[in-house]
Amino acid sequence: GNSVTQMEGPVTLSEEAFLTINCTYTATGYPSLFWYVQYPGEGLQLLLKATKADDKGSNKGFEATYRKETTSFHLEKGSVQVSDSAVYFCALGGNNRLAFGKGNQVVVIP
Amino acid sequence: DTAVSQTPKYLVTQMGNDKSIKCEQNLGHDTMYWYKQDSKKFLKIMFSYNNKELIINETVPNRFSPKSPDKAHLNLHINSLELGDSAVYFCASSLASGQGNTIYFGEGSWLTVV
Repeated sequence: GNSVTQMEGPVTLSEEAFLTINCTYTATGYPSLFWYVQYPGEGLQLLLKATKADDKGSNKGFEATYRKETTSFHLEKGSVQVSDSAVYFCALGGNNRLAFGKGNQVVVIP
Repeated sequence: DTAVSQTPKYLVTQMGNDKSIKCEQNLGHDTMYWYKQDSKKFLKIMFSYNNKELIINETVPNRFSPKSPDKAHLNLHINSLELGDSAVYFCASSLASGQGNTIYFGEGSWLTVV
């Protein structure tokens, strides 16, 4: 079945550092891929999406490229801020639902 | 002007009680969902309705019963609450149920069973 794997463990980094969160997927067909963000005490917000291979989703300085050859959709941001501290979820659309990865807690230290 | 709203946001209740969480969306979407987020932040779908018709019913105890009176509302009723039901429950909606459709989430309902 469809599944998403995110890198293990929280990510702690300093303000203005480069952020990468890895996401790989397993799916039949050509799913859409999403990154959602959850700020403390809040619901999930769509950060960006890509619907086909080689598409790049971008929003608020974050980017992710849909790589069919490596079945990946890694999230990157060139210079993080304290306000980017949150949990980030990679998700795959298919079978009338989203399948989520386990999420990565990102903590940005001033 | 909240797109997907759910109530209550916080709910503390005793084991054995019955409780409901209400959800409404004003986006004109056809499809609504309930997701459960456990203490490790893992998100799993519970139910999905498309135009008031149940299309997804994951392996969820039958103590959980969704009800969709119209396509803008999807309520979740839970009978005989257990400690393990403590979680955050998210309502969500999308324009349709296809894989490319963005799913919009409510702010969550934090359920604590004591």
